[in-house]
Amino acid sequence: SAVISQKPSRDICQRGTSLTIQCQVDSQVTMMFWYRQQPGQSLTLIATANQGSEATYESGFVIDKFPISRPNLTFSTLTVSNMSPEDSSIYLCSVDMTDFRGGYTFGSGTRLTVV
Amino acid sequence: SQQGEEDPQALSIQEGENATMNCSYKTSINNLQWYRQNSGRGLVHLILIRSNEREKHSGRLRVTLDTSKKSSSLLITASRAADTASYFCATDEGAQKLVFGQGTRLTINP
Repeated sequence: SAVISQKPSRDICQRGTSLTIQCQVDSQVTMMFWYRQQPGQSLTLIATANQGSEATYESGFVIDKFPISRPNLTFSTLTVSNMSPEDSSIYLCSVDMTDFRGGYTFGSGTRLTVV
Repeated sequence: SQQGEEDPQALSIQEGENATMNCSYKTSINNLQWYRQNSGRGLVHLILIRSNEREKHSGRLRVTLDTSKKSSSLLITASRAADTASYFCATDEGAQKLVFGQGTRLTINP
């Protein structure tokens, strides 16, 4: 089964700045997924990242605000740009391991607070 | 879009009792999965039930799926304090896209 290392685990950022979140997987995976979890809420898919192509964004999320990189099959970054307090959330990356262990594996999450 | 609706939103029971959480969804699915989240950290996969299955067990967990009613339930038997967490159902709509329910916050009182 895959293990995902996600960092940073938490950060407090000033409004108007950007934060890049990294996820490293210990095995090669075709697709990586980025989710946002607003305070007290469920998870919402931001985008799907394929290696070698542009990420696919869900409705309500745009590349200028959440640029994603996927330089190889084990690594991805999500940047939260020009942050505002409304961006305060937990951000999680995930990979599909359904064929191997019956479900998705998630990183430990990045708790972002924008002040 | 959020597809799953879960109830109850919060559940508080005594240690040793059973906990039941329900999930409803709206469209056809390939499978339905249950996850646990401790204190806003990463999600841990608990169990997956495919659309052609009706019941599945894993340790103290029992999951049922009724595709005619578009609903699922998660039963945790003989609850322990360590089971205190938020539990989410997630439906696989295809194209490797998971859609999560709103979650149930479970508290096990000693």
